[in-house]
Amino acid sequence: SQTIHQWPATLVQPVGSPLSLECTVEGTSNPNLYWYRQAAGRGLQLLFYSIGIDQISSEVPQNLSASRPQDRQFILSSKKLLLSDSGFYLCAWSNWGETEAFFGQGTRLTVV
Amino acid sequence: GENVGLHLPTLSVQEGDNSIINCAYSNSASDYFIWYKQESGKGPQFIIDIRSNMDKRQGQRVTVLLNKTVKHLSLQIAATQPGDSAVYFCAERRRQTGNQFYFGTGTSLTVIP
Repeated sequence: SQTIHQWPATLVQPVGSPLSLECTVEGTSNPNLYWYRQAAGRGLQLLFYSIGIDQISSEVPQNLSASRPQDRQFILSSKKLLLSDSGFYLCAWSNWGETEAFFGQGTRLTVV
Repeated sequence: GENVGLHLPTLSVQEGDNSIINCAYSNSASDYFIWYKQESGKGPQFIIDIRSNMDKRQGQRVTVLLNKTVKHLSLQIAATQPGDSAVYFCAERRRQTGNQFYFGTGTSLTVIP
């Protein structure tokens, strides 16, 4: 069966520090991968989408970047965090053409 | 996605009553609409989808209605139970550039025992 792992679960980082959130998927190959951000009490915003290794599209201009060095690994990064980067970050995967996306448990990032 | 900056609307229903959660969309290019349920502190979970050329689809205790004329989507939950308390999101899939899913603001459903 397929599983998605996302870590860490919570993270408190100072302003200006770097960020690296990792997401891995098991049990499937060539998944579509997604990074979403959810501000407290609000909706999910699509940040990055990837259809394959090193193939990433950015949905909104921002202080973050994403990389996909391996087929089932998706990394969200920042060189210098801003206060506005605080939020709940969710990684998800889907099979090409299917409508169901499977989400990880999320990382709650607080920038202080 | 649209409206991600708005605060969540809320809905409270008595246990056993039916719930109706609404969603408006703006993009006519979406080929599927999907409902997700998100429990506190967790990632969203898929509930049901509907293709854009359909107007109704039923699942177990849930029914999704799609009105393309007014770009409106609804999720009906029959005999609402305490375990249904969660935030519900509608999402659109747009295939013209890939397999991206764009989420609405969400509605917080509270079931009163």
